[in-house]
Amino acid sequence: GQQLNQSPQSMFIQEGEDVSMNCTSSSIFNTWLWYKQDPGEGPVLLIALYKAGELTSNGRLTAQFGITRKDSFLNISASIPSDVGIYFCAGQRGADGLTFGKGTHLIIQP
Amino acid sequence: SQTIHQWPATLVQPVGSPLSLECTVEGTSNPNLYWYRQAAGRGLQLLFYSVGIGQISSEVPQNLSASRPQDRQFILSSKKLLLSDSGFYLCAWSLGARGAFFGQGTRLTVV
Repeated sequence: GQQLNQSPQSMFIQEGEDVSMNCTSSSIFNTWLWYKQDPGEGPVLLIALYKAGELTSNGRLTAQFGITRKDSFLNISASIPSDVGIYFCAGQRGADGLTFGKGTHLIIQP
Repeated sequence: SQTIHQWPATLVQPVGSPLSLECTVEGTSNPNLYWYRQAAGRGLQLLFYSVGIGQISSEVPQNLSASRPQDRQFILSSKKLLLSDSGFYLCAWSLGARGAFFGQGTRLTVV
C-alpha cells in the first residue's frame, strides 16, 4: 500500500537544539497526524491537524498541515532527553485507516 | 474517557499453532477498529479495519483473519502461524477522520 515519504530517517542532535521533520504524499489527506512511539509501546498521538494551512502547537511541539493537503511538518523546540523516540507522520482520509510514514528516529546526545 | 485494551502484551507461539489476539475499546460507541503490524520498530502496516459489527476489510492478503463479534471488540486470528507472522501487532480505534488511538501492542514471536 501507499506510504508517506518521511524525512529525515534519523536525527542525532544535542540537547537543547530544535528539531524539524516532514512528510510528503502524492495524494491528498483530510487529516494529518503526528505520533511518538517509545520502544515496546504503541504510538501516542501528539498533534492532529484537520484543515489545510492549519498550524497547531502542543507545548514545545508545532505542526502544520500543508496548503496542498499533501504534506506536513513537525518542529520540536529546545529538545530534552525524554524526546528520544521514533516519530511517525500519518495521513487519514476516512474510516479506512491511516497511512504512515516510515518514521524519524530521534537520538539526543547529552 | 475512551480507553483501549489489548492483550496479551507478549506471546511466543510455535509454528503451526493457532493465534487469537483480542482488543476492546471502552468509552465510545461504533468506533472504527484497526489491526496494524509493525516490523523492526518502523513502518506500521494496516492489516484489517472494521466500520461495524461483522464488517471486516482486509488490506493485505495473508495468513491472518479478523473478526468483530461485538461493537467494541476486535479479534485477530490465525489457524496456523508462520515464522513470518512474528512482529508487533497494534490495535487502534478512531471516530471518522479525527485520528486514531492505539493500544499498547502485542509482541508475537513465532518459533
